[in-house]
Amino acid sequence: GAVVSQHPSRVICKSGTSVKIECRSLDFQATTMFWYRQFPKQSLMLMATSNEGSKATYEQGVEKDKFLINHASLTLSTLTVTSAHPEDSSFYICSAPLGGNTEAFFGQGTRLTVV
Amino acid sequence: LAKTTQPISMDSYEGQEVNITCSHNNIATNDYITWYQQFPSQGPRFIIQGYKTKVTNEVASLFIPADRKSSTLSLPRVSLSDTAVYYCLVTGANNLFFGTGTRLTVIP
Repeated sequence: GAVVSQHPSRVICKSGTSVKIECRSLDFQATTMFWYRQFPKQSLMLMATSNEGSKATYEQGVEKDKFLINHASLTLSTLTVTSAHPEDSSFYICSAPLGGNTEAFFGQGTRLTVV
Repeated sequence: LAKTTQPISMDSYEGQEVNITCSHNNIATNDYITWYQQFPSQGPRFIIQGYKTKVTNEVASLFIPADRKSSTLSLPRVSLSDTAVYYCLVTGANNLFFGTGTRLTVIP
């Protein structure tokens, strides 16, 4: 079945550095991918919608210059957390829908810890 | 966007049937209802999707009344491994907003 692979699963970085998270659709093409952030005991919060070949659409309150999204191909979207700070520590999850009203597949998530 | 409302938490004993109801009063004609399951530190996993009436697969059933303003996820004979958060989503073209979810705890 369709699978979305997210890498890395866990990363620890120093405050002020940047971290890149990759999201790949393994056996289908995804013109759209979603990026979420999830804090402990809370629901997934949609950060942005990544569109292949065009700019990402960010949700209100999400800084586009801090969370850089690139969707350069039909199977890969990346989220770069720039100048990370401890408050950026969270669980980041990507998702790719098959299209229309079909189910969406989620990556395994990336646990980011900024120290 | 159709907002969803579901109970924050539920407890159930092992072997019982669990029904989780979700309200989505503003669902649009083209929207589907999709349920996901999430374990700690993992991405959500698709459970079931439906448009109207009843849908059943190997893990769950989904009941949707004629007005589609609510839906009920039914998990038959839950086990301890079903302890997770269950999310009800109203999914249109390219929107995937999560509500609060229902934290199900299965008790031995």
